Amino acid sequence: ETGVTQTPRHLVMGMTNKKSLKCEQHLGHNAMYWYKQSAKKPLELMFVYNFKEQTENNSVPSRFSPECPNSSHLFLHLHTLQPEDSALYLCASSQDLFGLAGNEQYFGPGTRLTVT
Amino acid sequence: GENVEQHPSTLSVQEGDSAVIKCTYSDSASNYFPWYKQELGKRPQLIIDIRSNVGEKKDQRIAVTLNKTAKHFSLHITETQPEDSAVYFCAASAYSGGGADGLTFGKGTHLIIQP
Repeated sequence: ETGVTQTPRHLVMGMTNKKSLKCEQHLGHNAMYWYKQSAKKPLELMFVYNFKEQTENNSVPSRFSPECPNSSHLFLHLHTLQPEDSALYLCASSQDLFGLAGNEQYFGPGTRLTVT
Repeated sequence: GENVEQHPSTLSVQEGDSAVIKCTYSDSASNYFPWYKQELGKRPQLIIDIRSNVGEKKDQRIAVTLNKTAKHFSLHITETQPEDSAVYFCAASAYSGGGADGLTFGKGTHLIIQP
């Protein structure tokens, strides 16, 4: 599947490193999302972008910094992470139509992040 | 904020039998309820969804029911097959009028189909 792609697929970083996760959607959607999936917690929403504007920040620590330069690309900048931030980070996109509640979110394959 | 509870965490059924997974939600403003299937090592994929203006929706062997008064919704899979083995997540969102809405997910149900 090539609808939503994420790079890198695996990342190991130290607590003092700075790295970025990249997501790209090829579906012409206008909304993009970051989710965190860990063994201890369900899929957790982190950020929502609609038409490049951040519309939701789900109380995410400032060591995670999102960037959405256009409707097709989404980044998650990481710095001074903690070991408990190790998880699968999933990007998703959807085509949201104002006036219609909810639309299918298409997920990318995820980036498996390990913080050492 | 929204809280979604999902039960059971693990469900084992014989091939050909039915499976039912139940979820409850807390925010009465929630109006969209999708179900996602995630196979091992793969991304979550939507299998069915329902909006609050209907009580039931079917797609072949899969059906979802919604009870808005009780704030619960359920996934029903009939005639289960080995390829149905996966983790299933329910989710909810409340349309805010501003476009995109993030999903609040349940903790997932690991469905095991016994041959």
